[in-house]
Amino acid sequence: DGGITQSPKYLFRKEGQNVTLSCEQNLNHDAMYWYRQDPGQGLRLIYYSQIVNDFQKGDIAEGYSVSREKKESFPLTVTSAQKNPTAFYLCASSGAGGGTDTQYFGPGTRLTVL
Amino acid sequence: GEDVEQSLFLSVREGDSSVINCTYTDSSSTYLYWYKQEPGAGLQLLTYIFSNMDMKQDQRLTVLLNKKDKHLSLRIADTQTGDSAIYFCAELENSGYALNFGKGTSLLVTP
Repeated sequence: DGGITQSPKYLFRKEGQNVTLSCEQNLNHDAMYWYRQDPGQGLRLIYYSQIVNDFQKGDIAEGYSVSREKKESFPLTVTSAQKNPTAFYLCASSGAGGGTDTQYFGPGTRLTVL
Repeated sequence: GEDVEQSLFLSVREGDSSVINCTYTDSSSTYLYWYKQEPGAGLQLLTYIFSNMDMKQDQRLTVLLNKKDKHLSLRIADTQTGDSAIYFCAELENSGYALNFGKGTSLLVTP
């Protein structure tokens, strides 16, 4: 089955620890994205990558880091510098461009920092 | 990005039509989207409309676009309890990649 997988579904970490969220896609999409969703809020873009070994900051990149070493994978690290990391994190992918290359979303990872 | 505005809640009875409204920010946006999110899940693309269109129909879904007023609406005909979810409006940003989302409209369908 083609799709986007995110693991784990729920993640708990102690304050001050870095944590890495996994995102894998087998849709052969060039572009991948990370969004953050807080209760009652829309999605806010953290980082996106148009192609392997390249990525751009979104609106709220501070305290996060990413890598794109493989086309299929776009892991997100939530660092200890992120002041309020508890949130629902969504990964998405799309073809080479926007427009009709619509973004398809994974099931999300809910991160809780204790 | 600037705010895409949506009303927060909508309640309808099963079998009625639902209309969810959205005001977007960028008059040059080329594509506008509607996504659905069920509890605890990711977003599911429902439909999109290109900016040179006024209307798009896809089975029970009708999208209306008023470019002059930067207003987008999603009409769901014969609304079912399974349509209860949060619906997000989004516009394609100038980058051609990133989407600017509204806060979502929570639709409750009652029997």
